[in-house]
Amino acid sequence: DGGITQSPKYLFRKEGQNVTLSCEQNLNHDAMYWYRQDPGQGLRLIYYSQIVNDFQKGDIAEGYSVSREKKESFPLTVTSAQKNPTAFYLCASSIQGLNYNEQFFGPGTRLTVL
Amino acid sequence: RKEVEQDPGPFNVPEGATVAFNCTYSNSASQSFFWYRQDCRKEPKLLMSVYSSGNEDGRFTAQLNRASQYISLLIRDSKLSDSATYLCAVKPGNQFYFGTGTSLTVIP
Repeated sequence: DGGITQSPKYLFRKEGQNVTLSCEQNLNHDAMYWYRQDPGQGLRLIYYSQIVNDFQKGDIAEGYSVSREKKESFPLTVTSAQKNPTAFYLCASSIQGLNYNEQFFGPGTRLTVL
Repeated sequence: RKEVEQDPGPFNVPEGATVAFNCTYSNSASQSFFWYRQDCRKEPKLLMSVYSSGNEDGRFTAQLNRASQYISLLIRDSKLSDSATYLCAVKPGNQFYFGTGTSLTVIP
């Protein structure tokens, strides 16, 4: 089955710790994205990547880092510099280069900082 | 100004009713438009793309008004299973911009 997987589904972290969220897709999509969703604020873009070994900051990149070493994988690290990391994190992917290239989402990771 | 704005609702409608949501966008260069459905504590799922000529999928109709810079979603004959949050999305370049979502509850 083609799709996007994210792991873990739930993650608990102590303050001051870095944590890495996994995102893998087997849709052969070029573009991948990371969003966070907070109640009442919709989806906010953290980072996106249009091609392997390249990525751009989104609207709220501070305190986060990413890598894109493989087309299928786009892990997100939430660093200790992120002041309010508790949120629902969503990874998405899409075909690049077409106008109506819909985004498809993974099931998300709920991160809670204790 | 936000890229995309939606009325958050909530919309509470009886079964069988027709309900419409609007979503306004600020970037006139936007080329691609979408409606997503998000169930509680789940990921958004694509409901339909919105084409310039308007498009229909069963009980759902999406329309685009470029002059006034808004997209709309019409749901006819509402079902209990339509209860969810509906997000609009706009793509002016390489990024997608999402609205905050409109909450719909269909009441028996």
